[in-house]
Amino acid sequence: AQSVTQLGSHVSVSEGALVLLRCNYSSSVPPYLFWYVQYPNQGLQLLLKYTSAATLVKGINGFEAEFKKSETSFHLTKPSAHMSDAAEYFCAVRYTGRRALTFGSGTRLQVQP
Amino acid sequence: KAGVTQTPRYLIKTRGQQVTLSCSPISGHRSVSWYQQTPGQGLQFLFEYFSETQRNKGNFPGRFSGRQFSNSRSEMNVSTLELGDSALYLCASSLDEGVSEQYFGPGTRLTVT
Repeated sequence: AQSVTQLGSHVSVSEGALVLLRCNYSSSVPPYLFWYVQYPNQGLQLLLKYTSAATLVKGINGFEAEFKKSETSFHLTKPSAHMSDAAEYFCAVRYTGRRALTFGSGTRLQVQP
Repeated sequence: KAGVTQTPRYLIKTRGQQVTLSCSPISGHRSVSWYQQTPGQGLQFLFEYFSETQRNKGNFPGRFSGRQFSNSRSEMNVSTLELGDSALYLCASSLDEGVSEQYFGPGTRLTVT
């Protein structure tokens, strides 16, 4: 079955430290990939998307993600965490031939002062 | 442009009742998708509408239904509510039925007692 795996349901970093949130998909055909962020009591906000153009994708709020076909990964990074980055992050995949997004289980990012 | 709007934001219903949730997509967007978010199951796809036609449906019982109007606004209905239907229901709109990204509304928090 096509799935999305986010390693680590909780990640804690210090303010100013590197943020790395992991996402792996299961498909031999590269899908369309997205990262969303959800703040408490809010909907999902699109951070960035990969649609087979550049493998390194830059998004909003200083986030970026790199598509690695050989590793079937699309990890999200940010060089320096800010307190306002504390939220839940979801990796989502749109597999070829499917219209719906398949979401990972989410990673809650905590930023320590 | 205004974002995706969902009404109501919060709703409390009793088991056995039915409920209708509303979603207004971003102006010009013609595709609307619905997702259910729960702590246990995460984000799950309910259905998608494009040009007033249901294009895709997730693995939910027939109690969950929806429709789309000519102005692209969408409603979803849940009949004979069960406790397990308590969730955040998210609506997402996209420009078309291709690979364009989905933009989410703030959600409707449904509590079934």
